[in-house]
Amino acid sequence: AQSVAQPEDQVNVAEGNPLTVKCTYSVSGNPYLFWYVQYPNRGLQFLLKYITGDNLVKGSYGFEAEFNKSQTSFHLKKPSALVSDSALYFCAVSAPSGGSYIPTFGRGTSLIVHP
Amino acid sequence: DGGITQSPKYLFRKEGQNVTLSCEQNLNHDAMYWYRQDPGQGLRLIYYSQIVNDFQKGDIAEGYSVSREKKESFPLTVTSAQKNPTAFYLCASSGTTNNEQFFGPGTRLTVL
Repeated sequence: AQSVAQPEDQVNVAEGNPLTVKCTYSVSGNPYLFWYVQYPNRGLQFLLKYITGDNLVKGSYGFEAEFNKSQTSFHLKKPSALVSDSALYFCAVSAPSGGSYIPTFGRGTSLIVHP
Repeated sequence: DGGITQSPKYLFRKEGQNVTLSCEQNLNHDAMYWYRQDPGQGLRLIYYSQIVNDFQKGDIAEGYSVSREKKESFPLTVTSAQKNPTAFYLCASSGTTNNEQFFGPGTRLTVL
């Protein structure tokens, strides 16, 4: 069975500082990894994904994530946080099972960027 | 303008009533999904469909039903058998199951 953990319910950071939102996963086989963002009362928006290749993945709005196979992690990062980055962030993992790749989502991490 | 739509945005239901949530996409995606979101619990998969006229149960399918008669449409019915239906419901689609998902704006269902 696959699983994903987001160990922090909330991350607080000052505007202009770097941010990290953590994600670890457990799958059998090679993982497909995703990050999504959700603003209040909205659907999720795709930020970035790792399938294969370079361990550092760049995505939308200046976000990036680093795939670390030995630590089974896929942390989301941004060099300089904006107040507008405040939202709920979800990590998701999928791996082949019966020919499909149905993802499992983490519980979400609330990012709060203070002015 | 491609995308995925859900209606209505807010829905109120009396106990004992069935209600159907609409989900439509014009992205030509094969796969569609329904999720339930409760505070602090992330997204839980209710049903998914990889192709027309086929669908599979997710982790919390009890008390829900779906149909996939058209590629563009994947309606979800919340039946009276669902004991705690008040939640935020999200529909999503993807080209195939190993691609990123596109989400609709959600329907907030409240049982009175």
